[in-house]
Amino acid sequence: TQLLEQSPQFLSIQEGENLTVYCNSSSVFSSLQWYRQEPGEGPVLLVTVVTGGEVKKLKRLTFQFGDARKDSSLHITAAQPGDTGLYLCAGGAGNNRKLIWGLGTSLAVNP
Amino acid sequence: DAGVIQSPRHEVTEMGQEVTLRCKPISGHDYLFWYRQTMMRGLELLIYFNNNVPIDDSGMPEDRFSAKMPNASFSTLKIQPSEPRDSAVYFCASSWMTGVLGYTFGSGTRLTVV
Repeated sequence: TQLLEQSPQFLSIQEGENLTVYCNSSSVFSSLQWYRQEPGEGPVLLVTVVTGGEVKKLKRLTFQFGDARKDSSLHITAAQPGDTGLYLCAGGAGNNRKLIWGLGTSLAVNP
Repeated sequence: DAGVIQSPRHEVTEMGQEVTLRCKPISGHDYLFWYRQTMMRGLELLIYFNNNVPIDDSGMPEDRFSAKMPNASFSTLKIQPSEPRDSAVYFCASSWMTGVLGYTFGSGTRLTVV
């Protein structure tokens, strides 16, 4: 059974701090996606990474896919209250449309 | 584009009643997914459709759950009879077949069965 473990489960920081959250698996994925979910809303896709070692940047967010395509990280620089939410990673394998989801990291950025 | 539209946003019902959740996917998307989200289990895939045809319903908890997609612009998820353990947030999502995987989710239906 493929599993994605996210850490930490909860994170509370002050505005302006940097942080990194992790998404780890013992399985290889063909792609990995990161979503952010705000209270009362559905997850919103932030990025998809497909190549081992790939790094993508989205403003203050930096996403990295592990060389072996088993893990990923999300780094946020100078966090802002608007970054508050649940960050979910999801892995895709082959042509199967079924994504494997982590349980998420709940981030609170305090003003 | 209005995005994926789900209704109702909130549903409170008594145990044993029938519940129908509705979803309108993004026009042109050929995949539609129904998910359930709880604190304990996270996002669970219930069923997904491709071009209106159910492809995988292995995530449907039991026979009390059924889903239909009569056309490309509408899908329903029905629970009959409902039970308190069905209380959760139910999401519909849609995507294109081509390109890297990426879902667009609706805002969800928060179901409470009392």
